[in-house]
Amino acid sequence: QLQLQESGSGLVKPSQILSLTCNVSGGSISGGGYSWNWIRQTPGKGLEWIGNIHHSGTTYYNPSFKSRLTISLDMAKNQFSLKLTSVTAADTALYYCARGKENPFDFWGQGILVTVSS
Amino acid sequence: DIQMTQSPTTLSASVGDRVTITCRASQSITRWLAWYQQKPGKAPKLLIFDASSLQRGVPPRFSGSGFGTEFTLTISRLQADDFATYYCHQYNSFSSFGPGTKIEI
Repeated sequence: QLQLQESGSGLVKPSQILSLTCNVSGGSISGGGYSWNWIRQTPGKGLEWIGNIHHSGTTYYNPSFKSRLTISLDMAKNQFSLKLTSVTAADTALYYCARGKENPFDFWGQGILVTVSS
Repeated sequence: DIQMTQSPTTLSASVGDRVTITCRASQSITRWLAWYQQKPGKAPKLLIFDASSLQRGVPPRFSGSGFGTEFTLTISRLQADDFATYYCHQYNSFSSFGPGTKIEI
């Protein structure tokens, strides 16, 4: 059974970098046919797709984040990562990683709460 | 970008009821729509993809229909385990989600 687990800093200062990693177990991220996604959830904006990466390294970013976002893949560690720069309080959210199977998200991590505060 | 709306926002129902949730897209997404169930403290769970295909392991009381801009999720006979929030998700152009419909007693 595929499992995804988010990790990273739960507290980030405004203007700094939010960094998260998603560790994938029970399957390889190097196989084709899937995308590896970041999604966040807030009470105000609901579920918001942030972006994804494919095994080829091709990335697709939500235009709302494009200038601040980097998603990368580490096949040796079977994990993928998110970096979001210049964060503000509006980036406070529950962040999920998820696998996309031809786009619907069929496996999700449990989520990690990230708070942006000084 | 494609905006998704859902109705109703909240739905009061009882065990055994047939319930229907509607999702509308701001432009045609053909059949590229999924439905998820989310319970408090948990990640969303995929129920339906490609508008009407049932995800493996999901009970057949869940069904989806629609094409273009209007879609529905139907639960034929509501069970106690189905009280949750439901989200639609379009993946025709990037991804975006509806605001959710909460089914409560």
